[in-house]
Amino acid sequence: GENVEQHPSTLSVQEGDSAVIKCTYSDSASNYFPWYKQELGKRPQLIIDIRSNVGEKKDQRIAVTLNKTAKHFSLHITETQPEDSAVYFCAASYGGATNKLIFGTGTLLAVQP
Amino acid sequence: DADVTQTPRNRITKTGKRIMLECSQTKGHDRMYWYRQDPGLGLRLIYYSFDVKDINKGEISDGYSVSRQAQAKFSLSLESAIPNQTALYFCATSDRDEQFFGPGTRLTVL
Repeated sequence: GENVEQHPSTLSVQEGDSAVIKCTYSDSASNYFPWYKQELGKRPQLIIDIRSNVGEKKDQRIAVTLNKTAKHFSLHITETQPEDSAVYFCAASYGGATNKLIFGTGTLLAVQP
Repeated sequence: DADVTQTPRNRITKTGKRIMLECSQTKGHDRMYWYRQDPGLGLRLIYYSFDVKDINKGEISDGYSVSRQAQAKFSLSLESAIPNQTALYFCATSDRDEQFFGPGTRLTVL
């Protein structure tokens, strides 16, 4: 069945450093790839997304890249700040629709001041 | 996001009991979803509904049922709760791609 693998499961960086989280997906028909951030005790919230017709998308300190051939996509956070500390989930659409998602298992990012 | 609400927020129940989790939204979205979150497993889709007359199973529907009473309401039921259904349950809504999550219901089955 459809699957999304996410690595690493935990990531600790110093404030100001960059953080990279990587995901791979199995469904070649996947065409929508969102990233959600979940702060401790809170609900997941969308931070950035990318569609399969785009290779890279940037929004201030965060960026997402997509390699359709390799079925890889990654989240890049630059100049990390303590408020970036959270669990990050990647997801991929499946079944040819953008509104059914398979989520990765999450990455706990800790930004050390 | 106060537009998506879930009740109850916390619930402790016993094995074999029937329990219903409720989700309401004021966003006017047609699409609604139920997920469960377990440590190390991420978010897994239980059921989803694209309109009032449309109900679909997700990855892990066994042991669960749902009811879409209106566009704004989507309920998840556990007919006979078991301990491995202990988890954090999220409702979500969408009109296009972005999904908006409720605050979650923490369910413990003893």
